[in-house]
Amino acid sequence: QTVVTQEPSFSVSPGGTVTLTCGLSSGSVSTSFYPSWYQQTPGQAPRTLMYSTNARSSGVPDRFSGSILGNKAALTITGAQADDESDYYCVLYVGSGNWVFGGGTKLTVL
Amino acid sequence: QVQLVQSGAEVMKPGASVKVSCKSSGYTFTGNYMHWVRQAPGQGLEWMGRIHPDSGTTNYAQNFQGRITMTRDTSISTAYMELSRLRSDDTAVYYCARIGSGWAFDYWGQGTLVTVSS
Repeated sequence: QTVVTQEPSFSVSPGGTVTLTCGLSSGSVSTSFYPSWYQQTPGQAPRTLMYSTNARSSGVPDRFSGSILGNKAALTITGAQADDESDYYCVLYVGSGNWVFGGGTKLTVL
Repeated sequence: QVQLVQSGAEVMKPGASVKVSCKSSGYTFTGNYMHWVRQAPGQGLEWMGRIHPDSGTTNYAQNFQGRITMTRDTSISTAYMELSRLRSDDTAVYYCARIGSGWAFDYWGQGTLVTVSS
């Protein structure tokens, strides 16, 4: 069974840059997995940030960017702000009509 | 504007079945796959499966095979997710989410809390 890996937690200073990653327990992530990223705050539905690796969803500030770094998908936040403190999830299309979410990264801004 | 409106919270007994609805508006219902995602308390998101509202074609995550059924009623632009043989660890918020042109979940329902308790 495919397992998608994310850092459980990360910390960044206000104004700093942080890169969250999304990998596979076996193999490499490529654009063919259509990686997308979601931000979620407690009690709210997820909000779409990035899709198809590096396309920004409508209304998402350009300090959020997506890429493939090595063998993982990556979400980079440049100039982190206090309200970026959230849980971040990636999801990958693993073929045959199936998607798998990563376990999520809890981002702290302090 | 696109809206996905889900049915209300449910409290179910272990072993029972629950059926959650997701009513769509603001777009052509039959044009996009509808997915279901759940989130147990304090846990991450879990993909459950998808249905194409036009054909009724479904794909289910392996973890739910045999217990999950997704259906739709195109006359009222509503998708349904039924989970049977409920256990306490099925307690979660269940979301419907539309897949958009970029292969991402671009619109989400508000979530439906299903509590399984004796």
